[in-house]
Amino acid sequence: ETGVTQSPTHLIKTRGQQVTLRCSSQSGHNTVSWYQQALGQGPQFIFQYYREEENGRGNFPPRFSGLQFPNYSSELNVNALELDDSALYLCASGRGGSTDTQYFGPGTRLTVL
Amino acid sequence: QQQVKQSPQSLIVQKGGIPIINCAYENTAFDYFPWYQQFPGKGPALLIAIRPDVSEKKEGRFTISFNKSAKQFSLHIMDSQPGDSATYFCAASIVTGNQFYFGTGTSLTVIP
Repeated sequence: ETGVTQSPTHLIKTRGQQVTLRCSSQSGHNTVSWYQQALGQGPQFIFQYYREEENGRGNFPPRFSGLQFPNYSSELNVNALELDDSALYLCASGRGGSTDTQYFGPGTRLTVL
Repeated sequence: QQQVKQSPQSLIVQKGGIPIINCAYENTAFDYFPWYQQFPGKGPALLIAIRPDVSEKKEGRFTISFNKSAKQFSLHIMDSQPGDSATYFCAASIVTGNQFYFGTGTSLTVIP
């Protein structure tokens, strides 16, 4: 167990809706990164939050947005859901922005119908 | 553009065999190379990782071999067991950067 938790475990939404996914960091960690993993693919970087600010973004549209809270937990928000947004969403927490301290949570499976 | 290329896509070995999964990268700035094990519906779990200043690292039955000049690294699983059946991902990153670049994954099946 990594100490990184995510909620909910599974979620079903319809196209056009909005969704919020949550991630609680491992104790002592202050960065949270979000990844999207489509079925049969490797995870793709969405963005990272460090000290409550976005610290880098992958090739995802603005309808993917996030927040980091003072306790270092984080939310991923996706607006105007599309069928291709169906995926496993992973968060990884770490210390000081260093990738070698990052550990992944169990993920949230999002299905868009 | 795929920053990290992984092969094979799938692998079947007998119990006790030594599956080998290979990865190649282009960006010479990468300085951290982890391997992850993922079971269906679960998040990736860190297995073992290596820095480019060493050519080999062993942890239990898992060994990473690293060839800096060829920009390649591989995972060897010694004495493989049916419980090792999972998808394995290689990744690369810059330690001071903000993201991992993942390979496309290898589905390993270990037959009893």
